Amino acid sequence: AQKITQTQPGMFVQEKEAVTLDCTYDTSDPSYGLFWYKQPSSGEMIFLIYQGSYDQQNATEGRYSLNFQKARKSANLVISASQLGDSAMYFCAMREGTGGYQKVTFGTGTKLQVIP
Amino acid sequence: SAVISQKPSRDICQRGTSLTIQCQVDSQVTMMFWYRQQPGQSLTLIATANQGSEATYESGFVIDKFPISRPNLTFSTLTVSNMSPEDSSIYLCSATTGGREAKNIQYFGAGTRLSVL
Repeated sequence: AQKITQTQPGMFVQEKEAVTLDCTYDTSDPSYGLFWYKQPSSGEMIFLIYQGSYDQQNATEGRYSLNFQKARKSANLVISASQLGDSAMYFCAMREGTGGYQKVTFGTGTKLQVIP
Repeated sequence: SAVISQKPSRDICQRGTSLTIQCQVDSQVTMMFWYRQQPGQSLTLIATANQGSEATYESGFVIDKFPISRPNLTFSTLTVSNMSPEDSSIYLCSATTGGREAKNIQYFGAGTRLSVL
């Protein structure tokens, strides 16, 4: 079974609108972390936002927020007020466990295109 | 956070040759990783680079093909050996700073775009 599932290969959003990128995960580990990364066409992976499994509140970082629904095992990324520079691939990722060896698993990504 | 410098940023290589990619972090980090991203695909972990000892390889990756060094806490290299066109990918280095409050976020270098002819 896939540990991280991103069901939207591509998304379009109008500039200045909000967009939600979906991510569901699968783990039996009670301690885990969820991440979102942005990858522009240049190829670098840019860390956007983090949510810990024990965090009570949804994470927010500027225009990025993470809609964490633990019971549903979903961690959707919400981008508010989209900008042309937000056009990129977005990857959801999960780290399981604490200490020692911690493998991070990435989803297949969603390509977001912001339309002027 | 950590700033990660990776070089070369891109290269075009001939089949059968080897390429060494360098990764330098601006601060001491607990763990360093190497990933491969094939065209249009997600990231796949190649190995965890261990300081002063052999790297821990993921299933499907072997030391003979992808030898890795990590002589200290801030530097690592990945060599892609005996290259074939199937090795054409982006190779990414990442690192975590660890610590109780650090959330073990992986920060990435800009990647190395490798094309093998």
